[in-house]
Amino acid sequence: SAVISQKPSRDICQRGTSLTIQCQVDSQVTMMFWYRQQPGQSLTLIATANQGSEATYESGFVIDKFPISRPNLTFSTLTVSNMSPEDSSIYLCSVDLSRTEAFFGQGTRLTVV
Amino acid sequence: AQTVTQSQPEMSVQEAETVTLSCTYDTSESNYYLFWYKQPPSRQMILVIRQEAYKQQNATENRFSVNFQKAAKSFSLKISDSQLGDTAMYFCAFLNNFNKFYFGSGTKLNV
Repeated sequence: SAVISQKPSRDICQRGTSLTIQCQVDSQVTMMFWYRQQPGQSLTLIATANQGSEATYESGFVIDKFPISRPNLTFSTLTVSNMSPEDSSIYLCSVDLSRTEAFFGQGTRLTVV
Repeated sequence: AQTVTQSQPEMSVQEAETVTLSCTYDTSESNYYLFWYKQPPSRQMILVIRQEAYKQQNATENRFSVNFQKAAKSFSLKISDSQLGDTAMYFCAFLNNFNKFYFGSGTKLNV
């Protein structure tokens, strides 16, 4: 199994600013995933982060808006840039150790005012 | 592309009763994994049960079991002896061969 620590757990931010969310895993993993969960909605994959290479973004998400870092095999960050109220969501990081289960952080609840 | 459909936005069940949550999916892949995740108000995503597509036997985990119909692309979750702690959002999920998860829209279960 994997234990994922995600920080911050919640934040309220002014529009136009940026927030960086951190995700720390207690074991080395090849791939880390970032999801967005808009209010009352399901999880949507933002991007896949591999160590040593640029993140791969899903349709509708771009690096300028959601830059991702993956400096090592246990850590990743997601930045939500130039925020607007539409960015208010829960952001979750996830890892999949062996294709048998995805482990999730507890999520970051972001409110943009 | 894979899609996952949960047609029941919200369901209610009495304690100790049984409830079934529906899920259908669409894929052209032959081998994949299916999951049910539970998300209580704490926001933590918790694995309830998983099914490997090449296994015909339905997965079971204590009070939770699935009815996996591969030909029909159906993957329903049955919760027996429902408990108050089962109150949560339940997401059906599909894992493809590229390690990408696709989630359904969720079913809110009230016990």
